[in-house]
Amino acid sequence: GAGVSQSPSNKVTEKGKDVELRCDPISGHTALYWYRQSLGQGLEFLIYFQGNSAPDKSGLPSDRFSAERTGGSVSTLTIQRTQQEDSAVYLCASSSFGGDYGYTFGSGTRLTVV
Amino acid sequence: SQELEQSPQSLIVQEGKNLTINCTSSKTLYGLYWYKQKYGEGLIFLMMLQKGGEEKSHEKITAKLDEKKQQSSLHITASQPSHAGIYLCGAHRGSQGNLIFGKGTKLSVKP
Repeated sequence: GAGVSQSPSNKVTEKGKDVELRCDPISGHTALYWYRQSLGQGLEFLIYFQGNSAPDKSGLPSDRFSAERTGGSVSTLTIQRTQQEDSAVYLCASSSFGGDYGYTFGSGTRLTVV
Repeated sequence: SQELEQSPQSLIVQEGKNLTINCTSSKTLYGLYWYKQKYGEGLIFLMMLQKGGEEKSHEKITAKLDEKKQQSSLHITASQPSHAGIYLCGAHRGSQGNLIFGKGTKLSVKP
């Protein structure tokens, strides 16, 4: 597609439920990133996929968070047993490795845990 | 770990005025990115600076990189309401890999 697509745009879930957030990057972009943005906070790095390399998971806040990228394209971020502190906007970005134009971000998924 | 400090945290200016936002890194910069974010939207790439002394412009926005000071500045000339939003600077952690970001500068432009 023309841009990075994220779904759903909004998600309200009950505490303790699992959620899946989807990211469809720009076709041909080898790198994909997940970030979290909480109210009043900056962007917090979560995980980074580059081609077929093992993902950099160093930013995942707990083992309740996981992500996968199938076929080098679409990525799913899964949060298990959601907690209220997981409420945030989850942003996905993609880039062509070594590209000079930074990352292209999606519009994000606003997650609210009640 | 590398941190990016942005100043000011927020800024209110009268339409038509010039303004400057700064981004200072605690470590060596391997390229510096500027993004703009409007409420409820993703980040829009503005420009990337790679070399010390480099300066880039896009419409009325100019960014400079001072490698020695590990600092970048974003300057807006003759601000307009359309410039309002949150400006974020980003830099690579190490020579490659994911970007880390500053906490942003919230800009409001009064008509």
